Amino acid sequence: NAGVTQTPKFRILKIGQSMTLQCTQDMNHNYMYWYRQDPGMGLKLIYYSVGAGITDKGEVPNGYNVSRSTTEDFPLRLELAAPSQTSVYFCASTPGGRDSLYEQYFGPGTRLTVT
Amino acid sequence: GNSVTQMEGPVTLSEEAFLTINCTYTATGYPSLFWYVQYPGEGLQLLLKATKADDKGSNKGFEATYRKETTSFHLEKGSVQVSDSAVYFCALRYSSASKIIFGSGTRLSIRP
Repeated sequence: NAGVTQTPKFRILKIGQSMTLQCTQDMNHNYMYWYRQDPGMGLKLIYYSVGAGITDKGEVPNGYNVSRSTTEDFPLRLELAAPSQTSVYFCASTPGGRDSLYEQYFGPGTRLTVT
Repeated sequence: GNSVTQMEGPVTLSEEAFLTINCTYTATGYPSLFWYVQYPGEGLQLLLKATKADDKGSNKGFEATYRKETTSFHLEKGSVQVSDSAVYFCALRYSSASKIIFGSGTRLSIRP
């Protein structure tokens, strides 16, 4: 298993450009998440999904969109990039369900700079 | 609401020192508790976990005991190494909950 993979690893965007951060997991996990981590800070939840076709907002959803058409993929879309979106973005997944003992599995991150 | 409070960092220790990073939580019921570690330039990875009261999670010389009476899950290691330098996150998750609640993270630096 490759686990959770993210592409690209690095990206520089100009203000107003758009891009999609890709996230794929091969563990057949139901739940998937997008976080951002600003320098020296903790994680903030952007969006999450509990299954294909179902998404919900986290703490900081403004400026982002997501979709979940398959169990494996959970792309994050930035429509009009702003300097405030400069951050490291992490995708994560977990089996979900009623059992609380499962941890989240994280991807390696995408470092995004908006100038 | 449910929350996780961690000891503020950064924490700087000398190699072979004893480590404690405090973590307390506010929650109703019986969540599962986790410690994650983030090495420089990497994503978070699970370090250890405990799923019920009095359970002890352990991995790589680190330990944490789920203390329901004090609502705590402190991370300890008897002798730290330079390679333990990282950011450590405490977290909790409830049954049927779709989200994990993370603490703010504690940065640990170990001097040779």
